[in-house]
This record gives sequence, C-alpha cells and structure tokens, in this order.
Amino acid sequence: QSVLTQPPSVSEAPGQRVTISCSGSNSNIGDNAVTWYQQLPGKAPKLLMYDNNLLPSGVSARFSGSKSGTSASLAISGLQSEDEADYYCSAWDDTLNGWVFGGGTKVTVL
Amino acid sequence: EEQLLESGGGLIQPGGSLRLSCGGSEFTFRKYGMSWVRQAPGKGLDWVSCITASGGSRFYADSVKGRFTVSRDSSKNTVYLQMNSLRAEDTAIYYCAKVSETYCSRSSHMDYWGQGTLVTVSS
Repeated sequence: QSVLTQPPSVSEAPGQRVTISCSGSNSNIGDNAVTWYQQLPGKAPKLLMYDNNLLPSGVSARFSGSKSGTSASLAISGLQSEDEADYYCSAWDDTLNGWVFGGGTKVTVL
Repeated sequence: EEQLLESGGGLIQPGGSLRLSCGGSEFTFRKYGMSWVRQAPGKGLDWVSCITASGGSRFYADSVKGRFTVSRDSSKNTVYLQMNSLRAEDTAIYYCAKVSETYCSRSSHMDYWGQGTLVTVSS
C-alpha cells in the first residue's frame, strides 16, 4: 500500500486533457511540496514537476500542477501519444523522515 | 547533463549481501545529497535511502533500516548501498538519484536518475 493515493489509470483521446490526482496527509503533502515523475515504458523515472507546479527545463508547458491542502494534481493538456507513461507523485514525509510515493497512474492515449 | 550509472546488481540468495555502486558525472558530486529508490517488477517506486552531501546524515525507509547502509566517497564521485540480510521482497530495480540540494529534506527532491541495476533475491 502506497502512502500517497493515485488512480491506477486514466485514459483520454489525443488532444484532450487528463488530470491525475494524488492524495496524502498532513505529514506529507499537507506540509511539503509535491514532485511528479514520468516513467516511460522500460525507462528510468524522469523529473516532470517540482515544488507543486514548477517545470524543469525542457519539460513541455502542456504539463501543469497544483496543490490544495493534502491533495495535489497533475494535468496534461493537448494529450499526445508520447505522453503514454506511468506518472508518480511524491513528497517528503515528516513522520517517516523520507520521501513517499503514490502507487503510480498509467496514462493511456486512446 | 547530469549522468548517473549504477552497477553491482545480480542474483543473490536470501540472507546474502550485495553492494551497489553509483557513479555521478557532469555535476559537482560533493555538493549534493544522493538517494536510492527501488522498483519491484511491475510495481511502483519505493524510496530506500538518502545521504547528505557531507555524508553526515543518512536516512532509511523502515523496510530496510538495520539491513542496508548508504555511504559515499566524493573523491570518487560514487555513492554506495550495502545490502545485507537480503529477502525475496528486496527484489527490484535499484535506481540511484541525485538530490536537488545538499540535504535530504522537505525542501529537496530527486532531479536526475540513473538507469538502474536489477537485484534478484532467490534461491
């Protein structure tokens, strides 16, 4: 069981928008910034978003993030086939004194 | 761009030991914390351990505390994960990741990842 909760999968047609939710608690998301990682099939995870809504250099602006209370979300607009991947949310947990992850959400482009 | 390369994985019997290494390049290794994250076959990401830039503080997931030890040799740009008393549930790809700051803390995150090394614990 993951500390952070994500839906197992989401799917949408090309060009549409999808949103992935990530739910935690006061000891992690409630108190700390959320990071999102993208893992393409057979590849290592890659930093997608940090500090809730900041994009690393080179990441498409089609990705956006938000946080409210103990929940966060990642949105992908203008969905493309190259966005098919697993997406993980993460945050530092003050009780566990380490990072925790969500179980991952598989995005499928129909 | 920052590069990380893990090595040392393999097949090991339950109860055995293994040491993973991760070499960093294209960044000032001694200035950053380093972390290990694992992924069991077909499963999600699972944080394992983190060591600060100085090596003075180390953090572990409860599942590996007392069995795994993280260390670093910044003169060799390398971080290690010594894994003892291995169990079947430790079977996973182990990724090394660079931390965005000096410390492993609430204000940091993992910004660059290696390609991983597979550890299989089986008799």
